[in-house]
Amino acid sequence: RKEVEQDPGPFNVPEGATVAFNCTYSNSASQSFFWYRQDCRKEPKLLMSVYSSGNEDGRFTAQLNRASQYISLLIRDSKLSDSATYLCVVDSSASKIIFGSGTRLSIRP
Amino acid sequence: DARVTQTPRHKVTEMGQEVTMRCQPILGHNTVFWYRQTMMQGLELLAYFRNRAPLDDSGMPKDRFSAEMPDATLATLKIQPSEPRDSAVYFCASGLRQGANTGELFFGEGSRLTVL
Repeated sequence: RKEVEQDPGPFNVPEGATVAFNCTYSNSASQSFFWYRQDCRKEPKLLMSVYSSGNEDGRFTAQLNRASQYISLLIRDSKLSDSATYLCVVDSSASKIIFGSGTRLSIRP
Repeated sequence: DARVTQTPRHKVTEMGQEVTMRCQPILGHNTVFWYRQTMMQGLELLAYFRNRAPLDDSGMPKDRFSAEMPDATLATLKIQPSEPRDSAVYFCASGLRQGANTGELFFGEGSRLTVL
């Protein structure tokens, strides 16, 4: 079993829709959680950190559920520019930062 | 802007040849990571360093891969001998870890390796 698992998608949704991704992790001792975004043939870049109390950044909301060991990302009012691969990232232990395989999102006009 | 620099950007080589990829992390960062990305496997963690000390390289095929940080400005990933299954994009990333605070990882643009 992979340490970090995501639904690979693709998610194909119309512009303006709300879309949500989940990610599960196996190491209950994991301390820090993030969502990164990767555009086609580019390097990953930090989208947002995920805090225990949940956090919001504009149209993006991240949630952490430690009991069930999953994190989520919600995108509201999706834009064409949101089309990308979203990577769930977990600081598993001792600085070991593990990336999920990513969820592909495609926004159609 | 400070950035992680990787060389070469592209490399085509024949099976059996040695490949060395280099990474210059952002000045002041104390963690360096090597990842490999393929369509099938996503981003796999190969090795990582903290304050130049290797912490974990269990993700690497030990018989052919090696990762080092000869100084704070250079990290290397070497494959010898290379095989076609090593074809992938290799990313280096650096970050500043302070205590339990992981911090953001900054990635280089990657080295695209093709082994024929």
